[in-house]
Amino acid sequence: SAVISQKPSRDICQRGTSLTIQCQVDSQVTMMFWYRQQPGQSLTLIATANQGSEATYESGFVIDKFPISRPNLTFSTLTVSNMSPEDSSIYLCSVKGGWETQYFGPGTRLLVL
Amino acid sequence: KNEVEQSPQNLTAQEGEFITINCSYSVGISALHWLQQHPGGGIVSLFMLSSGKKKHGRLIATINIQEKHSSLHITASHPRDSAVYICAVRELGGSQGNLIFGKGTKLSVKP
Repeated sequence: SAVISQKPSRDICQRGTSLTIQCQVDSQVTMMFWYRQQPGQSLTLIATANQGSEATYESGFVIDKFPISRPNLTFSTLTVSNMSPEDSSIYLCSVKGGWETQYFGPGTRLLVL
Repeated sequence: KNEVEQSPQNLTAQEGEFITINCSYSVGISALHWLQQHPGGGIVSLFMLSSGKKKHGRLIATINIQEKHSSLHITASHPRDSAVYICAVRELGGSQGNLIFGKGTKLSVKP
């Protein structure tokens, strides 16, 4: 299994600012995923972050808005840039384990005013 | 059409009742997950299924691959079971990491 921690757990930010969310895993993993869950909606994949390569973004998400770093096999950051109220969501880090398992972090609850 | 449909969207039960949440999907899959999300937002994986049935405590999950349908059952429900239950599938041949999520079933168990 994998234990995932995220920082911050929640934040309230002003529009136009940026927030960097950290994700730490207690074991080395190849693939890390960042999801967004807007209020009342299901989870949507933002991007897949592999160590040593550029993140792969899903349709509708761009690197300028959501830059991702993956400096090693246990850590990743997601930045939400130039925030607007529409960015208010829960952001979740996730990793794929062996045999199709998947683990999720506790989430970062973001409110943009 | 959503690729993963859950029903019901909302469910209120009395403590002790037997609860069933359904999930139907339209794609070929390699695995199906049942997830639990508490109000704080964190997600816990309850089951990962590729066939048959799994049981863990009061929770039972079944899957019928031919019918593309899965159910999550909770026996002797308790107020602490109140949460959002999410069905998610990993599509065969799909992006390595991506799960396709249902919209969730919000369960409230009253004492």
